[in-house]
Amino acid sequence: DGGITQSPKYLFRKEGQNVTLSCEQNLNHDAMYWYRQDPGQGLRLIYYSQIVNDFQKGDIAEGYSVSREKKESFPLTVTSAQKNPTAFYLCASSIPGLGQPQHFGDGTRLSIL
Amino acid sequence: GEDVEQSLFLSVREGDSSVINCTYTDSSSTYLYWYKQEPGAGLQLLTYIFSNMDMKQDQRLTVLLNKKDKHLSLRIADTQTGDSAIYFCPNVGGPVGFYNNNDMRFGAGTRLTVKP
Repeated sequence: DGGITQSPKYLFRKEGQNVTLSCEQNLNHDAMYWYRQDPGQGLRLIYYSQIVNDFQKGDIAEGYSVSREKKESFPLTVTSAQKNPTAFYLCASSIPGLGQPQHFGDGTRLSIL
Repeated sequence: GEDVEQSLFLSVREGDSSVINCTYTDSSSTYLYWYKQEPGAGLQLLTYIFSNMDMKQDQRLTVLLNKKDKHLSLRIADTQTGDSAIYFCPNVGGPVGFYNNNDMRFGAGTRLTVKP
């Protein structure tokens, strides 16, 4: 079955450590997205990529980095510069086109040790 | 500020109907969507409506669209405990171009609680 796989489900970060969240899709979608969700708040866009080897900052990109070397993969690195990384991170993908639906993975919950 | 407005909470009894309302700002999209998020999970595309339709029915789900007022609603008939979740209606828009920015703006959603 086609879908989006995020791993790990739970992740813990130590002080000063970078961590990388994985997102893989086999839907053959060109566009991929990373969102952050905090309790009681909406999803906030961190980064998005509309095509391989290209990505754009979203609303809250500071302290995060991404790469898009393959169509299927869009890993997100939470760097030590992100001072409040505890959140639920969601990856999504879509085909290009205004109004095309985004399809989401099951999320990664990141906590501070 | 938010591009969509939804009530944060809704509580209903099992078997009753639920109506979740949404007011959005950008109406350039061909489709409008409802997503469901169960606890600890990602967002699941629940249903959608074509922007030139007023209503769409899909089993227990009815979507109503008032494009003039930019108002979207989701009615769940015979609400079950499994319907307890957060429901999102993202504002869909973005600049049109060769690589369309498929921009979806999600508010905090409406948390539906179904009591037995």
